[in-house]
Amino acid sequence: EDKVVQSPLSLVVHEGDTVTLNCSYEVTNFRSLLWYKQEKKAPTFLFMLTSSGIEKKSGRLSSILDKKELFSILNITATQTGDSAVYLCAPKSGNTPLVFGKGTRLSVIA
Amino acid sequence: NAGVTQTPKFQVLKTGQSMTLQCAQDMNHEYMSWYRQDPGMGLRLIHYSVGAGITDQGEVPNGYNVSRSTTEDFPLRLLSAAPSQTSVYFCASSSGVRPYEQYFGPGTRLTVT
Repeated sequence: EDKVVQSPLSLVVHEGDTVTLNCSYEVTNFRSLLWYKQEKKAPTFLFMLTSSGIEKKSGRLSSILDKKELFSILNITATQTGDSAVYLCAPKSGNTPLVFGKGTRLSVIA
Repeated sequence: NAGVTQTPKFQVLKTGQSMTLQCAQDMNHEYMSWYRQDPGMGLRLIHYSVGAGITDQGEVPNGYNVSRSTTEDFPLRLLSAAPSQTSVYFCASSSGVRPYEQYFGPGTRLTVT
């Protein structure tokens, strides 16, 4: 059975802090791992990671995948209140839809 | 493009009632999925479809039916609503070329009393 575990489940930080969100997974026929950000409504796509060790960056967000140890991390530097959201990771296997973790709820306070 | 649309936005049902949640996309995407999201549970896959006429079960299919008679539409039917089906329901679609990049609808908040 496919399994995705995200940690921590929730996190409260102050503006300017750096945070690291973790995602470990066990899926058959792994293809890629995706990160989504969900604010009040539907999730929005952040990153797709396919290869180990190659960092993807978008502004203050970056992510990396370790296919040997079966985990990924999402880093957010210099956090802002607008980063407050639930961050979801989802490994993709074959042609089946994404399997989502429970998410990490990040709260950034001014 | 409207993207992925869902109706209704909110719905209250009594136990035992049936209803259909509508989902449509205008991006000609092959793949469509239904998820439910409960507090502390993340997104869980109910049913999905890889093309018109093809559907398959996800992680939590019991109590729900789907059909995919056209590429655009993927309705989700609740056969006999139960309080355990109180949730927020998201429909998503993606193309066969970029199946990982799912586009989500705005969600339907369903309460079963």
